Amino acid sequence: EVQLVESGGGLVQPGGSLRLSCSASEFTFSRYPMYWVRQAPGKGLEYVSAISDDGGTTFYADSVKGRFTISRDNSKNTLYLQMSSLRADDTAVYYCVKPPFRLLSYAFHIWGQGTMVIVSS
Amino acid sequence: QSALTQPASVSGSPGQSITISCTGTISDIGDYNYVSWYQQHPGKAPKLIIYDVSNRPSGISNRFSGSKAGNTASLTISGLQAEDEADYYCSSYTKYSTLVFGGGTKLTVL
Repeated sequence: EVQLVESGGGLVQPGGSLRLSCSASEFTFSRYPMYWVRQAPGKGLEYVSAISDDGGTTFYADSVKGRFTISRDNSKNTLYLQMSSLRADDTAVYYCVKPPFRLLSYAFHIWGQGTMVIVSS
Repeated sequence: QSALTQPASVSGSPGQSITISCTGTISDIGDYNYVSWYQQHPGKAPKLIIYDVSNRPSGISNRFSGSKAGNTASLTISGLQAEDEADYYCSSYTKYSTLVFGGGTKLTVL
């Protein structure tokens, strides 16, 4: 069964940094683009970032551009999200997500359980 | 990258059909057939129920169907069941090579 397991969330002060990880299993990780999506408490879903299968191309929502960096290590089947200059409105559950197909696939199919990030002093 | 527009809430009785709309612009829904829909129960991760406007992933009931006309996409749930009570979100690819979600719709089964 395809599985995504996020880790690295926690409490961080405003202006601080945090790195999230997502360990993938039971599919050929290196062949799929991957996404990060977040959900603030009691709020809706928000697209955060995407990365191509080889890691060479990345995309970001305007709300995180210049502060967050998505990356991947295909040798370790792991996706990362480096977050810096964190703000209170970055508080959310962060999900790692796999699309349904390798190519031209702009949907969020397999979701991890999520990892909570709380930005507060 | 403005959010897509969904009604805050819809309701229906068991056995009925309901439709949830999702309105975007020519920069997203209007120009791409990459609309998807998600069901989210409280405390759970979202679940993909429709992708590429009208396709269902394996294991999703055919009571769920999707369509698109112009800048508006729609999700229809037929034969409403108690377990369909959840939050529903739409999403679309955009001309900025990103994706955008709708604000979400709470479905209440009366």
